[in-house]
Amino acid sequence: DTGVSQDPRHKITKRGQNVTFRCDPISEHNRLYWYRQTLGQGPEFLTYFQNEAQLEKSRLLSDRFSAERPKGSFSTLEIQRTEQGDSAMYLCASSRQLLLPRATETQYFGPGTRLLVL
Amino acid sequence: EDQVTQSPEALRLQEGESSSLNCSYTVSGLRGLFWYRQDPGKGPEFLFTLYSAGEEKEKERLKATLTKKESFLHITAPKPEDSATYLCAGPTAGGTSYGKLTFGQGTILTVHP
Repeated sequence: DTGVSQDPRHKITKRGQNVTFRCDPISEHNRLYWYRQTLGQGPEFLTYFQNEAQLEKSRLLSDRFSAERPKGSFSTLEIQRTEQGDSAMYLCASSRQLLLPRATETQYFGPGTRLLVL
Repeated sequence: EDQVTQSPEALRLQEGESSSLNCSYTVSGLRGLFWYRQDPGKGPEFLFTLYSAGEEKEKERLKATLTKKESFLHITAPKPEDSATYLCAGPTAGGTSYGKLTFGQGTILTVHP
């Protein structure tokens, strides 16, 4: 059982450039999440998908950010016109939706993509 | 607003010196409390999920417990390889589900030989 994979692991870009990150979830996991983590803080939720549908987006996700999950498999997160404040670790997680009505399933995280905007 | 608060922010222990980390939350209708371990430059690694007050789970030198308002991660006779940041998280409502997690800021644990 392979875990969540993310690509690239590191990205250095200049301010104003566009970047795209990819996440491959654990197979058979129908939910996929994106989080952002800055130094010394816990991860912050950005958005999540159930199959191919994007069900929720955080207020942190400005209109420069867009995420897709075509065919309910891998996902991409694109940041347009990057700013220095976008520098962070971008984490992807996946889970299998539980049928229990009052329980939230465990999310498994990938290794992250570290973005540095110069 | 749902909040998850961890204490202490940092903890330094000698090898073999047992201690506990705290996670308090104000998430209404808690539907799970999650503990993760994170090494520098890596993604969080899942440790435990707790669903009910009174529930306990163990893994090697770690034991997680849950009450109605807080969770503890007990570390017994720690070793230097237990050094990491320990994160706790609770699911919070949004849209039509409780899918997203709200994380605490983490406790940085350092175990000296």
